Amino acid sequence: GNSVTQMEGPVTLSEEAFLTINCTYTATGYPSLFWYVQYPGEGLQLLLKATKADDKGSNKGFEATYRKETTSFHLEKGSVQVSDSAVYFCALSEAGAQKLVFGQGTRLTINP
Amino acid sequence: ETGVTQSPTHLIKTRGQQVTLRCSSQSGHNTVSWYQQALGQGPQFIFQYYREEENGRGNFPPRFSGLQFPNYSSELNVNALELDDSALYLCASSLRGGNGRETQYFGPGTRLLVL
Repeated sequence: GNSVTQMEGPVTLSEEAFLTINCTYTATGYPSLFWYVQYPGEGLQLLLKATKADDKGSNKGFEATYRKETTSFHLEKGSVQVSDSAVYFCALSEAGAQKLVFGQGTRLTINP
Repeated sequence: ETGVTQSPTHLIKTRGQQVTLRCSSQSGHNTVSWYQQALGQGPQFIFQYYREEENGRGNFPPRFSGLQFPNYSSELNVNALELDDSALYLCASSLRGGNGRETQYFGPGTRLLVL
């Protein structure tokens, strides 16, 4: 079945550091890929998405590129801020499928 | 544009009781999906509703059931509550399109505690 694997957290960085959160997936077809962010006590917010190979999703300084050859969708940001502290979820959905399949989440803490 | 809303925000029940959670979809969306997020875990798909019918179900027992109304809002019902049902329940809405690659937008969730 389809699955998503994220790098284990928690991840702690200093403000202005470079961020990478690794995400790899297993899928039978050609899924769409997503990053969602969850701030404390809140629901999920869509951060960015990509729907086909080599697409780059970007939003709020975050980027991720759909790499079919390595089945990866790593999240990056060049300079993190304290306000980026949250839990980040990588997810996939197959075309025509009803559900999102999520990774286990990566907790990110940014220290000033 | 109104986002996805859920009610109530928090709920405490005891084992064996029944609970109903409610979700209003984002304006213009016609599909609602429900997810269960246990503490420290990623969300798990419960089921999806489209055109008032269940349209896909995850690995959840029949005591988890739902409804979708003509205005696309939805309810999640859980009977015979168990301690393990304690979780954050998330509703997501989307617009079913021709290519099947819709994006789901989530509400703030309902946190259920079963004692």
